[in-house]
Amino acid sequence: NAGVTQTPKFQVLKTGQSMTLQCAQDMNHNSMYWYRQDPGMGLRLIYYSASEGTTDKGEVPNGYNVSRLNKREFSLRLESAAPSQTSVYFCASTLQGRTEAFFGQGTRLTVV
Amino acid sequence: QKEVEQNSGPLSVPEGAIASLNCTYSDRVSQSFFWYRQYSGKSPELIMSIYSNGDKEDGRFTAQLNKASQYVSLLIRDSQPSDSATYLCAVTSGNTGKLIFGQGTTLQVKP
Repeated sequence: NAGVTQTPKFQVLKTGQSMTLQCAQDMNHNSMYWYRQDPGMGLRLIYYSASEGTTDKGEVPNGYNVSRLNKREFSLRLESAAPSQTSVYFCASTLQGRTEAFFGQGTRLTVV
Repeated sequence: QKEVEQNSGPLSVPEGAIASLNCTYSDRVSQSFFWYRQYSGKSPELIMSIYSNGDKEDGRFTAQLNKASQYVSLLIRDSQPSDSATYLCAVTSGNTGKLIFGQGTTLQVKP
């Protein structure tokens, strides 16, 4: 049972490049989340998906887009990367909004 | 005002002491409350969840919730050096289902 799997673990991008962070869960969870974590800032919600087919903005959505491809997969896309998007990105999932969130191992992204 | 607020610390306690971590939240219809522990370079892991007013104990950990005051806390008894980590408070919005985190409190337990 893999839980929540994120790819890649590490990535270096040049300013203006695009990329997609992938997230998949095998726990049959309904809700999925993307967070970014910067030093001293805790986890800030970028986008979340309460259920398959729905997505909604979090606290810091600018510069990002998401796709809930199916119940298992929730991807995060950076269309034109900026140095301000240098961060650690975490994907998480919950069975439903009220229950425990399980996290992926994180993606460390550097934009130069 | 941030939706979930914590003192970033660091909070330093001697080994064997009680560590007290606090969190306030702004959304009055919040339903679920969580404490996560995060070691440096690792993912957050759940240590406590609490859904109703009062205390909930699990081993050395006690979570306390006061919805009237919009306050949730975590007590760690008999603190150990291995408890040194960042503790994240998280709250689920009752209306939207969003899971919002505070900025985290860094705990240092000194031998």
